[in-house]
Amino acid sequence: KNQVEQSPQSLIILEGKNCTLQCNYTVSPFSNLRWYKQDTGRGPVSLTIMTFSENTKSNGRYTATLDADTKQSSLHITASQLSDSASYICVAHTGGFKTIFGAGTRLFVKA
Amino acid sequence: ETGVTQTPRHLVMGMTNKKSLKCEQHLGHNAMYWYKQSAKKPLELMFVYSLEERVENNSVPSRFSPECPNSSHLFLHLHTLQPEDSALYLCASSQDSTGMNTEAFFGQGTRLTVV
Repeated sequence: KNQVEQSPQSLIILEGKNCTLQCNYTVSPFSNLRWYKQDTGRGPVSLTIMTFSENTKSNGRYTATLDADTKQSSLHITASQLSDSASYICVAHTGGFKTIFGAGTRLFVKA
Repeated sequence: ETGVTQTPRHLVMGMTNKKSLKCEQHLGHNAMYWYKQSAKKPLELMFVYSLEERVENNSVPSRFSPECPNSSHLFLHLHTLQPEDSALYLCASSQDSTGMNTEAFFGQGTRLTVV
């Protein structure tokens, strides 16, 4: 069964601290994996995309990693800011129209 | 802004009403999507249109009826909905629906409440 599991479900950190969000996927065939950021009341916005041959991809303070052998991905946020408060969604694409969404991690950054 | 515009942003409707959600994309994309997002649940894909043809219908009840008159516009017609249909409905578009050009650009969503 194709599925994407994210952890933790929610996370609270202090401004300026780093954090890492986890994503485990069971998807076959595997095409690519994306991380999206969804601010409250808005649609998701893509942060990174990685294929099975890529191990890491950065976008500013966001760094995503991918281990295709263990089928795990992580999103590391460096020097968090209040504006990082959002839901972060891991999405695995299997090709064709099949896109499997995780339930997301809700991140709260406090001053 | 993402280039995908949804209207209305909020909608409250009775179970006997008929309403429509509208989505417009200005990105020249070939694929458009409707998603349902319920609280604390993953996004659920409802419909996929590629080059104005419906290519995916994920067992969505017939009270939801999509329409894609052209590659830039997508509608979701609603009738006789149930309270459990209350959710955020997101429209998205992508360059195409396969391969690497699959980054979806989402609209702001329509927050639907069925009373």
